[in-house]
Amino acid sequence: QQQVKQSPQSLIVQKGGISIINCAYENTAFDYFPWYQQFPGKGPALLIAIRPDVSEKKEGRFTISFNKSAKQFSLHIMDSQPGDSATYFCAASMVTGGGNKLTFGTGTQLKVEL
Amino acid sequence: GAGVSQSPSNKVTEKGKDVELRCDPISGHTALYWYRQSLGQGLEFLIYFQGNSAPDKSGLPSDRFSAERTGGSVSTLTIQRTQQEDSAVYLCASSFFGGPETQYFGPGTRLLVL
Repeated sequence: QQQVKQSPQSLIVQKGGISIINCAYENTAFDYFPWYQQFPGKGPALLIAIRPDVSEKKEGRFTISFNKSAKQFSLHIMDSQPGDSATYFCAASMVTGGGNKLTFGTGTQLKVEL
Repeated sequence: GAGVSQSPSNKVTEKGKDVELRCDPISGHTALYWYRQSLGQGLEFLIYFQGNSAPDKSGLPSDRFSAERTGGSVSTLTIQRTQQEDSAVYLCASSFFGGPETQYFGPGTRLLVL
């Protein structure tokens, strides 16, 4: 059972455009929703994260939008740059009583073209 | 400071052989996680250690997989009688414990079972 569904699988955006990646989860016990960025040959690195008590969090060009009732959250990358080309994973975990084990989405390969 | 390190970076083995993968977490991190990243299954949780508590082994795919953590620091993931479907990147992550702490990932060990 896939508990976190991610789309699209791949995404091509022009430089300066907005990249949008969507995720949906099933387990209402999840209470922590991070996004990870992974470059080839490297481990994932935390990009930005949100708790369900807020609907939006912004850090620089990266914004998470969170809809608790719909059990959906999304990553928006503003002014996308070629250096943002990477694979992005959404994830969810239960911090309280769950050990913060991450359940990942299937990943989105983002390519930002000049 | 030093990040999470893993060794070896690459491992090629024959079907049926045993392999050991090592993880050195960030100093002071009490929580340690193993994940597996494969083409067919994405990123999946394997096992979680926290301090001196019994490990959470709920993600291990079979009894051929085991892991230990010595002295609350270094961890070894052992795969016995390797199968071709074990081919994947094995990622280790560590974090402080007590909240939605960032998990810092190592670069992974790329395992190929021939």
